[in-house]
Amino acid sequence: QSALTQPASVSGSPGQSITISCTGTSSDVGGCDHVSWYQQHPGKVPKVLIYDVTRRPSGVSNRFSGSKSGNTASLTISGLQAEDEAVYYCISYTTTYTYVFGTGTEVTVL
Amino acid sequence: QVQLVQSGTEVKKPGASVRVSCKASGFTFSSHYFHWVRQAPGQGLEWMGIIYPSGDETRCAQKFEGRVTMTRDTSTSTVYMEVNSLTSEDTAVYHCARDSGYHGPDYWGQGTLVTVSS
Repeated sequence: QSALTQPASVSGSPGQSITISCTGTSSDVGGCDHVSWYQQHPGKVPKVLIYDVTRRPSGVSNRFSGSKSGNTASLTISGLQAEDEAVYYCISYTTTYTYVFGTGTEVTVL
Repeated sequence: QVQLVQSGTEVKKPGASVRVSCKASGFTFSSHYFHWVRQAPGQGLEWMGIIYPSGDETRCAQKFEGRVTMTRDTSTSTVYMEVNSLTSEDTAVYHCARDSGYHGPDYWGQGTLVTVSS
């Protein structure tokens, strides 16, 4: 199972919106609705932002939203803030009852 | 509150095995799945495997099949992962993480650093 493909880096200015893509296949992203997104700051444990493609856990800012089209899931961060600088990962359930992470995207706030 | 507390740092020689523990509290242990995820220095997250609530069923990423064993002890609310035939490429921080049911990991343990070096 190959890692899901994410852009290596995405940047934006404070207040802007950015979108991070997570591309897989019909055997993972395209074949289920169990895609989650995580934010990881340096030296910290990953924090879940989105699960089941679009659902947001309680306590997570509504500036984070998820979507999916075909084999690509996306995470949108609106109203970009300095504290959003981190690495973001997607993960998907697969048709072989396993999971696979994305390659990770480093977000820079200009 | 939900807590996953993992065992401490390990240093192993190539060819050895390591067992990492993860003690859960603050929720119903017997109804949750547990993932194991690792992160090599400066690298991304890598999914290793999952153990089901029953403890009888596990799933591993293909690259770890035959080398990773996951178990759970309901009496102590602890999950374990053992990795055999360690090489330097297994040097990483290993995390356990809870899952309430196919939603992906939500709460994570603090991580256990495993260093493999001769």
